[in-house]
Amino acid sequence: SQQGEEDPQALSIQEGENATMNCSYKTSINNLQWYRQNSGRGLVHLILIRSNEREKHSGRLRVTLDTSKKSSSLLITASRAADTASYFCATDDNQGGKLIFGQGTELSVKP
Amino acid sequence: DAGVIQSPRHEVTEMGQEVTLRCKPISGHDYLFWYRQTMMRGLELLIYFNNNVPIDDSGMPEDRFSAKMPNASFSTLKIQPSEPRDSAVYFCASSFGSSYNEQFFGPGTRLTVL
Repeated sequence: SQQGEEDPQALSIQEGENATMNCSYKTSINNLQWYRQNSGRGLVHLILIRSNEREKHSGRLRVTLDTSKKSSSLLITASRAADTASYFCATDDNQGGKLIFGQGTELSVKP
Repeated sequence: DAGVIQSPRHEVTEMGQEVTLRCKPISGHDYLFWYRQTMMRGLELLIYFNNNVPIDDSGMPEDRFSAKMPNASFSTLKIQPSEPRDSAVYFCASSFGSSYNEQFFGPGTRLTVL
């Protein structure tokens, strides 16, 4: 079963706007990660947030984690057309060591 | 570093044929993962290795799939015989230190089985 599920499935915004994607998961985790996938390419790691952290920043990215609600959000500020991609959250299964990826949010940033 | 290298990038084959996908992880990484991505099922973990030893192959669909890692710098995923439903993009990824750590993905192999 899915551990992480992203919301929304698709998001279309104008360049310069902020984009927010959410991820919910079911069981306790050690960490949560966000990845980006451009069309036809492999996934690229963006940021990792540990279960004892609440917020993390990397450039224009801001990730929050609420373990009580079992949810995380990824905020991309001042979006650019180059941010157009699919974004996935991944959580560990807290058992055997696997990362489980959600179905992703497809972000389209229009120039 | 060249990153994770996969070959071939594209493979078109006919049903019943054997397919072998290849992966070279990042040097020094001790974990290697094989994933399959389809529109219907998303990204699925097939199998992963730690120090060349298979740890979890519960995601391997059936006996037609097999994976090996003869040394730290090479792994193969074999499908025999291939079926149209195996058509997907297959990714190899590697990480260092823990299967929970950041994973580095290769560019993928797009497999089409006719």
